[in-house]
Amino acid sequence: DAGITQSPRHKVTETGTPVTLRCHQTENHRYMYWYRQDPGHGLRLIHYSYGVKDTDKGEVSDGYSVSRSKTEDFLLTLESATSSQTSVYFCAISDGHTNTEAFFGQGTRLTVV
Amino acid sequence: AQSVTQLGSHVSVSEGALVLLRCNYSSSVPPYLFWYVQYPNQGLQLLLKYTTGATLVKGINGFEAEFKKSETSFHLTKPSAHMSDAAEYFCAVSDRGSSYKLIFGSGTRLLVRP
Repeated sequence: DAGITQSPRHKVTETGTPVTLRCHQTENHRYMYWYRQDPGHGLRLIHYSYGVKDTDKGEVSDGYSVSRSKTEDFLLTLESATSSQTSVYFCAISDGHTNTEAFFGQGTRLTVV
Repeated sequence: AQSVTQLGSHVSVSEGALVLLRCNYSSSVPPYLFWYVQYPNQGLQLLLKYTTGATLVKGINGFEAEFKKSETSFHLTKPSAHMSDAAEYFCAVSDRGSSYKLIFGSGTRLLVRP
């Protein structure tokens, strides 16, 4: 299995509070992604990174920010959590060359109450 | 813009029967195509992928898929379903021109009846 660790695995937070999810990889892959999974929608891309300090928005980026200060870490921040951000969040990595597929972490289940 | 359509949010088959999960895509460039499987409370695991070359690709657990450019399809099949195949399956297309982002279909939950 690809070395991807997401933390925390579960979190319950209150509306309006900031939340940070962490993704850590040991594969030295260039590309990292944050997706959210909701019933009936599959997985939707929130933000992605193509290198240290290089990030860009995905299709559902409103209310989220990211940072990547090191190759191995990609942080997703909900600045002020809302109930609509209750979801399962997945981090994925890809080297974009010989392995064109993405490898996924185990997910973080976030509940905003 | 690229997109993926999976026909049928739920598919039910008997154990030993053929599994067919449908996927159609749209892409302005030659696509990379993927099937992932997700078991309950787990992440996504790659079943198989098409990048270039042979259009019939074989994956893990006896699954295979055929890339048909003329039909813009990448349907997933398995000759004989096993109880352990019960899971959710996602088809995805890669935006290989821009950071290899994956665009997913909405998923198909496979139920296997004894």
